[in-house]
Amino acid sequence: EDKVVQSPLSLVVHEGDTVTLNCSYEVTNFRSLLWYKQEKKAPTFLFMLTSSGIEKKSGRLSSILDKKELFSILNITATQTGDSAVYLCAVLGNTGKLIFGQGTTLQVKP
Amino acid sequence: EAGVVQSPRYKIIEKKQPVAFWCNPISGHNTLYWYLQNLGQGPELLIRYENEEAVDDSQLPKDRFSAERLKGVDSTLKIQPAELGDSAVYLCASSSNRGSPLHFGNGTRLTVT
Repeated sequence: EDKVVQSPLSLVVHEGDTVTLNCSYEVTNFRSLLWYKQEKKAPTFLFMLTSSGIEKKSGRLSSILDKKELFSILNITATQTGDSAVYLCAVLGNTGKLIFGQGTTLQVKP
Repeated sequence: EAGVVQSPRYKIIEKKQPVAFWCNPISGHNTLYWYLQNLGQGPELLIRYENEEAVDDSQLPKDRFSAERLKGVDSTLKIQPAELGDSAVYLCASSSNRGSPLHFGNGTRLTVT
């Protein structure tokens, strides 16, 4: 059965800290891995990773994929209170099916 | 571009009542998804459409849930009759093709009392 597992499930840090969120997967017909940020409402798209070892970066956020070990990490440097959210990892298969992990809840304290 | 639009934003109903949710995807997006999200969990796929065809409805509880996308644009998800356990957020998403990121609407928060 296809599955996506995220860790930790929750995390509390202080502003300025660096955090690393983990996502491992077992999915047949892997196409890409996506990260989303979810605050009060809709998940908003962060990154889509298709190739191993190529870092994607957007401001203080970055992510990388390891297709051999079947995992991805999402790094956030110099965290701010606005980074507080649920971070969702999802894997897209060749059929177009997107499977989500359970999410990591990040709380950044001032 | 306008995002995925869902309505209503919130719905409170008594158990055994019917309820319907509406979704209008991003213009030109052929693929439409309905997800269910329980508190503290990731979204779970209910049904996926490519144009007007339901290509994956294996997770849809067909005894009480139904969905349609008649003209391959907007979509409706219905529950009849609703049960207490159906309380959740129902998210609609769309993508331009099966390899593209999904874009989500704000969801409908359903409370069944």
